[in-house]
Amino acid sequence: LAKTTQPISMDSYEGQEVNITCSHNNIATNDYITWYQQFPSQGPRFIIQGYKTKVTNEVASLFIPADRKSSTLSLPRVSLSDTAVYYCLVAPNSGGYQKVTFGTGTKLQVIP
Amino acid sequence: GAVVSQHPSRVICKSGTSVKIECRSLDFQATTMFWYRQFPKQSLMLMATSNEGSKATYEQGVEKDKFLINHASLTLSTLTVTSAHPEDSSFYICSASGTGAHNEKLFFGSGTQLSVL
Repeated sequence: LAKTTQPISMDSYEGQEVNITCSHNNIATNDYITWYQQFPSQGPRFIIQGYKTKVTNEVASLFIPADRKSSTLSLPRVSLSDTAVYYCLVAPNSGGYQKVTFGTGTKLQVIP
Repeated sequence: GAVVSQHPSRVICKSGTSVKIECRSLDFQATTMFWYRQFPKQSLMLMATSNEGSKATYEQGVEKDKFLINHASLTLSTLTVTSAHPEDSSFYICSASGTGAHNEKLFFGSGTQLSVL
């Protein structure tokens, strides 16, 4: 299983763009990269998933370079409600997930 | 989107009793379910993986006789904490991986806060 490394914490002011990078040097060919958000005392919530290049949805963008050894979650113009822990997951997905383990996550604190 | 329902959200029990936590996939068939525990300010720790109709696979260090997992149907998995002790107090979270259009993501329950007195 690909191990992921993220910064433990980040601070940002409201309205700023936040980029959180995740390293996954031993990512395998059939691994997908997925980001989740978790608020205290809640289960993680899916944000975005990608395999390569760039993926964008209504809440975030995911940038994946050609070597796929890292990925960057971009949150445009964060608000106080974006204060949460963000997890990067790398796992194979063929016919459903077989096993998923979490790294440390990045605790994002948005400051007024 | 797909929904995973976890119940109860909070439970307080006496030491020595058993507690059952349910995890249901409401609108899709979950071939695989995962159970995690999470201590305050820490990441989720995978406890076990369960596949419908077969025995769960436990992670190293997780006592299978203490944390009983049953995945008897494609929409329900249960975790029973047997003879609970205060050190079992934690936040337990389930997740489900589906089939077809739902096999691309993991869907998580809202978690169960277990407090053992």
